[in-house]
Amino acid sequence: DVKVTQSSRYLVKRTGEKVFLECVQDMDHENMFWYRQDPGLGLRLIYFSYDVKMKEKGDIPEGYSVSREKKERFSLILESASTNQTSMYLCASSLRTDRGREQYFGPGTRLTVT
Amino acid sequence: QKEVEQNSGPLSVPEGAIASLNCTYSDRGSQSFFWYRQYSGKSPELIMFIYSNGDKEDGRFTAQLNKASQYVSLLIRDSQPSDSATYLCAVNRWGGGNKLTFGTGTQLKVEL
Repeated sequence: DVKVTQSSRYLVKRTGEKVFLECVQDMDHENMFWYRQDPGLGLRLIYFSYDVKMKEKGDIPEGYSVSREKKERFSLILESASTNQTSMYLCASSLRTDRGREQYFGPGTRLTVT
Repeated sequence: QKEVEQNSGPLSVPEGAIASLNCTYSDRGSQSFFWYRQYSGKSPELIMFIYSNGDKEDGRFTAQLNKASQYVSLLIRDSQPSDSATYLCAVNRWGGGNKLTFGTGTQLKVEL
C-alpha cells in the first residue's frame, strides 16, 4: 500500500511567519505534488516535482516555494505566511509515466494563519 | 468553461439505489480519468481509474468513459450510507506531464 504522510494535521501560525510543511512517501514515486483545497474552489496545484531537485510551478505558486532534496520527501514553504493562505494543504505522489497516473494523497494539513 | 466540470449537488439517493455521478472535461487530448472519494475533513481516496472508452467495473463501482462526448461517469450500485461523501473527478492534462486537473466534486447523500 502506498503511504503518504504529512508532518502535521493541524497548524496555527501568525502572519509573517515562515512555515514548513513536509511530506514523505514510501513507494519510490518520482512525482510529488502540493495542493491546497478551499471550499468552492476544489483542489488547486501549487507545485509539482518530477524528480529530486526538480520542480515546476503549478496553478497558484505565488507566496510558496518547495524543496525536494530526497526522492521520498517534498517540502512546501510559505516564506511569509498571510491570512489568505489559511487552507487545507494536501500532498500527493504518483509514478512518472507518459500519461497521468493515479495520485495518492497524504492526510492533509489544516493550516490557520492568524 | 472549466476544464473539469461536476455538478456540486447534493445528490440524494435512497439506500440501495444506484447513484450516478457525472463529469465533463474540455481537453480532448486527456487520456487518464480518475474518481476519488473524499469524506468531510479527510483527504481524497482513489476509487478507480479508467483509460479506455466503455465501462470498467470494480465491486459496486462502475466507471464509464465516452471520449467522443468528453464525459466520464461513476455509478455506485446498492448505495450505502457510508457512500455519503464528495466525489472528485480528475483528468490528466495533455502535455502537462503527469499533472491532474480536479473537478470541484459532487456531494452524495445516501438516505436511510
